[in-house]
Amino acid sequence: GPKVLQIPSHQIIDMGQMVTLNCDPVSNHLYFYWYKQILGQQMEFLVNFYNGKVMEKSKLFKDQFSVERPDGSYFTLKIQPTALEDSAVYFCASAGGRRSGNTLYFGEGSRLIVV
Amino acid sequence: GDSVTQTEGLVTLTEGLPVMLNCTYQTIYSNPFLFWYVHYLNESPRLLLKSSTDNKRTEHQGFHATLHKSSSSFHLQKSSAQLSDSALYYCALSDRGGSAKLIFGEGTKLTVSS
Repeated sequence: GPKVLQIPSHQIIDMGQMVTLNCDPVSNHLYFYWYKQILGQQMEFLVNFYNGKVMEKSKLFKDQFSVERPDGSYFTLKIQPTALEDSAVYFCASAGGRRSGNTLYFGEGSRLIVV
Repeated sequence: GDSVTQTEGLVTLTEGLPVMLNCTYQTIYSNPFLFWYVHYLNESPRLLLKSSTDNKRTEHQGFHATLHKSSSSFHLQKSSAQLSDSALYYCALSDRGGSAKLIFGEGTKLTVSS
């Protein structure tokens, strides 16, 4: 089936440093998402992105967070600076929209540990 | 705001017994989309079932669910559990079609033993 790739799978970073999580979405998908999952808790919506713009973001999407997809390359989530509470697994997802039946396809997640 | 509730955090079953994972939701929208995603260890969460049609049974890979708007429920069922069904199961809600975000429940960890 369609695959969403996430790089890196794991990263340990010092608090205050910048981190960029990369997502290679399903080819031809137009809608992109980031979700955050703290260990043992549910996946929580962070942001979605379409046509070069943020469509909607949650309260979890702090000012230190940003997303972009320059020139159709990776869809990235940047955190600058990182904080201890940013430690989580971040899942990227993409969707083709209504014609694809509203299905979101997820990556395997990027585990971020902030120390 | 919209929310999804999965009452069981952990379900442990013996192989061959029926599976029922509960999911209820709250939304102001009259035509929600409901989803079940399955998440195996070290893999991506993937879609198992989805529905937006009231009182219509949806089936896939031996699992089935029926959206009941009257009770705001979308329970996941299977007649006979298999060892390979052991995974995390997430119920999710979307308030509209297209690019709408999913709102997830807390998930139910299903463990099937022999």
